[in-house]
Amino acid sequence: EAGVAQSPRYKIIEKRQSVAFWCNPISGHATLYWYQQILGQGPKLLIQFQNNGVVDDSQLPKDRFSAERLKGVDSTLKIQPAKLEDSAVYLCASSLNRAGFSGNTIYFGEGSWLTVV
Amino acid sequence: AQKVTQAQTEISVVEKEDVTLDCVYETRDTTYYLFWYKQPPSGELVFLIRRNSFDEQNEISGRYSWNFQKSTSSFNFTITASQVVDSAVYFCALVRGSGGGADGLTFGKGTHLIIQP
Repeated sequence: EAGVAQSPRYKIIEKRQSVAFWCNPISGHATLYWYQQILGQGPKLLIQFQNNGVVDDSQLPKDRFSAERLKGVDSTLKIQPAKLEDSAVYLCASSLNRAGFSGNTIYFGEGSWLTVV
Repeated sequence: AQKVTQAQTEISVVEKEDVTLDCVYETRDTTYYLFWYKQPPSGELVFLIRRNSFDEQNEISGRYSWNFQKSTSSFNFTITASQVVDSAVYFCALVRGSGGGADGLTFGKGTHLIIQP
């Protein structure tokens, strides 16, 4: 079974530029998450989708970050304009259904490493 | 609000020693799920175990074992006869049992485990 796919793996941009990350979850997984992991810290949830609807985006900096999952499968996370503090790994994850229902396991991709200079 | 504390930032042991990684959590929910993930240098978070709040049985899987104690809000992870391949950052995480709200994982800051040959 294919895992969670993410691209690009690495990206270096200058501050104020824009960047987009793509995620393809495990086939059949209804729930999709984007996490931000700053070096030396644990991942922090940015946004959670259930199919193509947003469940939680309370920690997403909406003035510069946006995310969509138009057809309930692939998702894109965009940052515009980027700031130095956005340098982090952006992890996409998916689960069959919501993790709070019977503790569905959340599977993670390898992440997209962003450096803003 | 939920919180996960991993007080050990870094642990270094010699190969074949046993090592325990501590995890203490805070939650007001009566139904919740606890997870452990392993993050090797490649960056992908690898699922190790899921435990629900109603199951306090300890679990053993090969060299790995987990001790869940609700009385002390702890979910500790022990590696027996450690190996160099166990070197990684380990994260403990918590998710609330879904009552319709957001149920993304809340992570601790991680413990960097170094196994020296």
